[in-house]
Amino acid sequence: DGGITQSPKYLFRKEGQNVTLSCEQNLNHDAMYWYRQDPGQGLRLIYYSQIVNDFQKGDIAEGYSVSREKKESFPLTVTSAQKNPTAFYLCASSPAGTTYEQYFGPGTRLTVT
Amino acid sequence: AQKVTQAQTEISVVEKEDVTLDCVYETRDTTYYLFWYKQPPSGELVFLIRRNSFDEQNEISGRYSWNFQKSTSSFNFTITASQVVDSAVYFCALCRTNTGNQFYFGTGTSLTVIP
Repeated sequence: DGGITQSPKYLFRKEGQNVTLSCEQNLNHDAMYWYRQDPGQGLRLIYYSQIVNDFQKGDIAEGYSVSREKKESFPLTVTSAQKNPTAFYLCASSPAGTTYEQYFGPGTRLTVT
Repeated sequence: AQKVTQAQTEISVVEKEDVTLDCVYETRDTTYYLFWYKQPPSGELVFLIRRNSFDEQNEISGRYSWNFQKSTSSFNFTITASQVVDSAVYFCALCRTNTGNQFYFGTGTSLTVIP
C-alpha cells in the first residue's frame, strides 16, 4: 500500500539531546513537509522540500534541521536548541508542480523532559 | 499575509443533528486553493476536499457539503445527520499557488458527536 510512514509513534528524550524523526513515503511524491502541532493550535510549517537535495525553512525552523538525500525520505532532527520541543510532529507529501492536497503520515508524539 | 480563522474551538452536537463548521480566510492573492482536513483521535490528517478560488460552486459528498463564498472569504463545512464517527478535529487550510504548495492552517474545530 502507498503511504507515508513515520516512526516511532511515541518518542521520549531527555532535555539537551538531539533526536531525529523519521518520515518515509512510497507515493513517488516530489514534495515533502514537516509540521508541528501543539494543543489547540493549527499546524505550523517547520521545513519543506520540493526536490531532492533542496529544502526551505518554514515559519518555525529555528532549532530544527532536515535533509533530503533521497526522494522518499525526509528526516527531521530536533536539536537541543529548540526551546520547547515537546509536540506532535506530522510529515506530509504531495506531487510537485501544482497545488495538490498534501497526504499526511500518522505523526510522532515527542516528549522531552 | 495569509490567515485562516476557525472561530469555533469546540462544538458538541447530539447524533443526527446537522452541524456547520466555519472557516474564514484572508489573502490578497486572486488565485488560491482551500482545503478541509479531518483529524480523528489517531492523529493522521485525512483530506476531505480541495476547492480553487475560481470555483464557487457548492459541493456535496454524501453527508458532507461545503459552501464557498468568495465575497465573504468563507469556506464553511456542513455535516448533515452527524454520527459518532464524525467526532474529530477539523482543519481548514489555504494554499497559495506560487509558494511551493505552502499551506496555512486554521487552529481547528474539535467536534464531538454525542450518541
